[in-house]
Amino acid sequence: GNSVTQMEGPVTLSEEAFLTINCTYTATGYPSLFWYVQYPGEGLQLLLKATKADDKGSNKGFEATYRKETTSFHLEKGSVQVSDSAVYFCALKTGNFNKFYFGSGTKLNVKP
Amino acid sequence: EPEVTQTPSHQVTQMGQEVILRCVPISNHLYFYWYRQILGQKVEFLVSFYNNEISEKSEIFDDQFSVERPDGSNFTLKIRSTKLEDSAMYFCASSEGAQWGTAVATEAFFGQGTRLTVV
Repeated sequence: GNSVTQMEGPVTLSEEAFLTINCTYTATGYPSLFWYVQYPGEGLQLLLKATKADDKGSNKGFEATYRKETTSFHLEKGSVQVSDSAVYFCALKTGNFNKFYFGSGTKLNVKP
Repeated sequence: EPEVTQTPSHQVTQMGQEVILRCVPISNHLYFYWYRQILGQKVEFLVSFYNNEISEKSEIFDDQFSVERPDGSNFTLKIRSTKLEDSAMYFCASSEGAQWGTAVATEAFFGQGTRLTVV
Protein backbone atom coordinates (compact mmCIF):
# COMPACT_ATOMS: atom_id res chain seq x y z
CA GLY A 1 0.00 0.00 0.00
CA ASN A 2 0.89 3.68 0.14
CA SER A 3 2.24 5.34 3.25
CA VAL A 4 4.59 8.06 4.41
CA THR A 5 6.72 8.07 7.52
CA GLN A 6 8.39 11.20 8.76
CA MET A 7 10.46 11.95 11.80
CA GLU A 8 8.73 12.75 15.05
CA GLY A 9 8.79 16.27 16.30
CA PRO A 10 9.04 18.79 17.63
CA VAL A 11 12.37 19.82 16.20
CA THR A 12 13.87 22.84 17.93
CA LEU A 13 16.72 24.73 16.28
CA SER A 14 18.49 28.02 16.69
CA GLU A 15 18.29 30.57 13.90
CA GLU A 16 20.77 29.87 11.06
CA ALA A 17 21.07 26.19 11.98
CA PHE A 18 20.89 23.44 9.35
CA LEU A 19 17.59 21.62 9.07
CA THR A 20 16.85 18.07 8.01
CA ILE A 21 13.44 16.47 8.33
CA ASN A 22 13.47 12.85 7.28
CA CYS A 23 10.72 11.34 5.14
CA THR A 24 10.47 7.84 3.73
CA TYR A 25 7.66 6.30 1.78
CA THR A 26 6.18 3.09 0.46
CA ALA A 27 4.12 3.21 -2.68
CA THR A 28 2.45 1.07 -5.29
CA GLY A 29 3.28 2.47 -8.65
CA TYR A 30 5.35 5.54 -9.24
CA PRO A 31 4.43 8.37 -6.91
CA SER A 32 4.96 12.10 -6.96
CA LEU A 33 6.34 13.47 -3.72
CA PHE A 34 5.53 16.68 -1.89
CA TRP A 35 6.33 18.76 1.13
CA TYR A 36 3.51 20.88 2.54
CA VAL A 37 3.88 23.48 5.28
CA GLN A 38 1.27 24.69 7.75
CA TYR A 39 1.96 27.98 9.46
CA PRO A 40 0.02 28.71 12.67
CA GLY A 41 -3.65 29.37 11.94
CA GLU A 42 -3.30 28.71 8.23
CA GLY A 43 -4.00 25.89 5.79
CA LEU A 44 -1.61 23.48 4.15
CA GLN A 45 0.59 25.19 1.57
CA LEU A 46 2.66 23.43 -1.04
CA LEU A 47 6.33 24.01 -0.30
CA LEU A 48 7.95 21.90 -3.00
CA LYS A 49 7.43 18.81 -5.09
CA ALA A 50 9.21 16.23 -7.25
CA THR A 51 7.63 14.00 -9.84
CA LYS A 52 10.35 11.51 -10.73
CA ALA A 53 13.46 9.88 -9.37
CA ASP A 54 16.47 12.18 -8.82
CA ASP A 55 14.33 15.31 -9.25
CA LYS A 56 15.11 18.02 -6.74
CA GLY A 57 12.30 20.23 -5.55
CA SER A 58 13.24 23.59 -4.12
CA ASN A 59 11.54 26.69 -2.78
CA LYS A 60 12.32 29.42 -0.23
CA GLY A 61 15.73 27.87 0.48
CA PHE A 62 14.24 24.45 1.18
CA GLU A 63 15.26 21.45 -0.91
CA ALA A 64 14.32 17.79 -1.20
CA THR A 65 15.55 15.14 -3.61
CA TYR A 66 13.44 12.19 -4.78
CA ARG A 67 15.55 9.12 -3.97
CA LYS A 68 13.95 6.03 -5.40
CA GLU A 69 16.73 3.71 -4.24
CA THR A 70 16.20 4.67 -0.61
CA THR A 71 12.49 5.59 -0.99
CA SER A 72 13.20 8.91 0.67
CA PHE A 73 12.41 12.59 0.24
CA HIS A 74 14.21 14.36 3.06
CA LEU A 75 13.64 18.08 3.53
CA GLU A 76 16.69 20.29 4.06
CA LYS A 77 17.47 23.94 4.57
CA GLY A 78 20.91 25.36 5.11
CA SER A 79 19.98 28.20 7.44
CA VAL A 80 16.60 28.33 9.13
CA GLN A 81 14.84 31.50 10.24
CA VAL A 82 12.34 32.14 13.00
CA SER A 83 9.71 32.60 10.29
CA ASP A 84 10.21 28.96 9.23
CA SER A 85 8.55 27.81 12.45
CA ALA A 86 5.63 25.68 11.26
CA VAL A 87 4.46 22.10 10.83
CA TYR A 88 5.91 20.31 7.80
CA PHE A 89 4.11 17.43 6.10
CA CYS A 90 5.61 14.98 3.66
CA ALA A 91 3.12 13.49 1.20
CA LEU A 92 2.87 11.29 -1.84
CA LYS A 93 0.34 11.03 -4.58
CA THR A 94 -0.40 8.30 -7.07
CA GLY A 95 -3.15 7.80 -9.58
CA ASN A 96 -5.48 10.22 -11.21
CA PHE A 97 -7.50 11.94 -8.57
CA ASN A 98 -4.93 13.73 -6.42
CA LYS A 99 -5.41 11.44 -3.48
CA PHE A 100 -2.59 12.33 -1.11
CA TYR A 101 -1.04 10.19 1.56
CA PHE A 102 0.41 12.39 4.27
CA GLY A 103 2.91 11.80 6.99
CA SER A 104 2.04 12.76 10.54
CA GLY A 105 3.77 16.13 10.33
CA THR A 106 6.88 17.49 12.03
CA LYS A 107 6.68 20.65 14.05
CA LEU A 108 9.68 22.93 13.67
CA ASN A 109 10.45 25.57 16.28
CA VAL A 110 13.20 28.04 15.42
CA LYS A 111 14.50 30.17 18.27
CA PRO A 112 16.21 33.55 17.79
CA GLU B 1 -4.07 35.12 -5.27
CA PRO B 2 -6.94 32.64 -5.46
CA GLU B 3 -7.50 30.56 -2.38
CA VAL B 4 -9.73 27.91 -0.94
CA THR B 5 -11.97 29.28 1.80
CA GLN B 6 -13.52 27.23 4.58
CA THR B 7 -16.22 28.22 7.04
CA PRO B 8 -16.56 28.16 9.95
CA SER B 9 -13.03 28.08 11.32
CA HIS B 10 -14.25 26.34 14.46
CA GLN B 11 -17.47 24.43 15.01
CA VAL B 12 -18.64 22.94 18.28
CA THR B 13 -21.53 20.52 18.10
CA GLN B 14 -23.27 18.06 20.38
CA MET B 15 -22.94 14.35 19.78
CA GLY B 16 -25.68 13.08 17.50
CA GLN B 17 -26.22 16.41 15.80
CA GLU B 18 -25.81 17.03 12.09
CA VAL B 19 -23.06 19.35 10.99
CA ILE B 20 -22.23 20.89 7.61
CA LEU B 21 -18.75 22.12 6.84
CA ARG B 22 -18.50 24.56 3.98
CA CYS B 23 -15.80 25.20 1.42
CA VAL B 24 -15.45 27.53 -1.54
CA PRO B 25 -12.87 26.01 -3.91
CA ILE B 26 -10.87 27.99 -6.44
CA SER B 27 -13.23 28.92 -9.23
CA ASN B 28 -11.68 27.14 -12.24
CA HIS B 29 -10.83 23.95 -10.39
CA LEU B 30 -12.55 20.70 -11.25
CA TYR B 31 -11.53 18.30 -8.48
CA PHE B 32 -12.48 18.71 -4.87
CA TYR B 33 -11.36 16.87 -1.76
CA TRP B 34 -11.93 16.55 1.93
CA TYR B 35 -9.24 15.46 4.34
CA ARG B 36 -9.21 15.32 8.09
CA GLN B 37 -6.61 15.34 10.82
CA ILE B 38 -7.44 13.97 14.23
CA LEU B 39 -5.27 15.75 16.79
CA GLY B 40 -1.76 14.32 16.78
CA GLN B 41 -2.43 11.96 13.89
CA LYS B 42 -1.89 11.95 10.14
CA VAL B 43 -3.86 13.97 7.66
CA GLU B 44 -6.20 11.39 6.14
CA PHE B 45 -8.00 11.36 2.82
CA LEU B 46 -11.78 11.22 3.06
CA VAL B 47 -13.22 11.74 -0.39
CA SER B 48 -12.63 13.17 -3.83
CA PHE B 49 -15.34 14.66 -6.02
CA TYR B 50 -15.38 15.30 -9.73
CA ASN B 51 -18.09 16.02 -12.26
CA ASN B 52 -20.75 16.12 -9.55
CA GLU B 53 -20.04 12.71 -8.16
CA ILE B 54 -17.71 10.99 -5.75
CA SER B 55 -14.67 9.68 -7.62
CA GLU B 56 -13.03 7.97 -4.67
CA LYS B 57 -13.65 7.61 -0.96
CA SER B 58 -11.81 6.10 1.95
CA GLU B 59 -13.17 3.55 4.40
CA ILE B 60 -13.56 6.40 6.89
CA PHE B 61 -16.17 7.96 4.62
CA ASP B 62 -19.13 5.83 5.68
CA ASP B 63 -22.87 6.44 5.41
CA GLN B 64 -22.68 9.18 8.03
CA PHE B 65 -20.78 11.36 5.59
CA SER B 66 -21.95 13.00 2.40
CA VAL B 67 -20.64 15.66 0.07
CA GLU B 68 -22.41 18.05 -2.21
CA ARG B 69 -21.72 20.86 -4.60
CA PRO B 70 -25.11 22.53 -4.32
CA ASP B 71 -24.64 25.67 -6.36
CA GLY B 72 -21.52 25.43 -8.51
CA SER B 73 -19.36 27.34 -6.08
CA ASN B 74 -19.70 25.74 -2.64
CA PHE B 75 -18.51 22.27 -1.72
CA THR B 76 -19.92 20.89 1.53
CA LEU B 77 -19.23 17.99 3.83
CA LYS B 78 -22.16 16.81 5.92
CA ILE B 79 -21.86 14.55 8.92
CA ARG B 80 -25.33 13.24 9.71
CA SER B 81 -24.99 12.19 13.32
CA THR B 82 -21.72 13.27 14.83
CA LYS B 83 -19.69 11.09 17.16
CA LEU B 84 -16.99 12.09 19.60
CA GLU B 85 -14.39 10.50 17.33
CA ASP B 86 -15.37 12.87 14.50
CA SER B 87 -13.60 15.65 16.38
CA ALA B 88 -10.78 16.70 14.05
CA MET B 89 -9.51 19.40 11.75
CA TYR B 90 -11.22 19.07 8.37
CA PHE B 91 -9.41 20.36 5.30
CA CYS B 92 -10.99 21.09 1.96
CA ALA B 93 -8.81 21.12 -1.16
CA SER B 94 -9.24 21.67 -4.86
CA SER B 95 -7.12 21.15 -7.94
CA GLU B 96 -7.33 21.75 -11.63
CA GLY B 97 -7.07 18.06 -12.41
CA ALA B 98 -4.76 15.23 -13.33
CA GLN B 99 -3.77 13.70 -16.62
CA TRP B 100 -5.46 10.39 -17.12
CA GLY B 101 -3.13 7.43 -16.81
CA THR B 102 -0.29 9.36 -15.23
CA ALA B 103 0.73 10.48 -11.81
CA VAL B 104 1.73 13.90 -13.01
CA ALA B 105 1.66 16.20 -10.05
CA THR B 106 -1.00 18.88 -10.17
CA GLU B 107 -1.02 21.20 -7.24
CA ALA B 108 -3.80 20.82 -4.69
CA PHE B 109 -4.70 24.01 -2.85
CA PHE B 110 -5.89 23.55 0.70
CA GLY B 111 -8.11 25.69 2.83
CA GLN B 112 -7.18 26.75 6.34
CA GLY B 113 -9.34 24.05 7.87
CA THR B 114 -12.40 23.81 10.10
CA ARG B 115 -11.80 22.53 13.58
CA LEU B 116 -14.78 20.37 14.56
CA THR B 117 -15.27 19.63 18.22
CA VAL B 118 -17.96 17.13 19.16
CA VAL B 119 -19.00 17.27 22.82
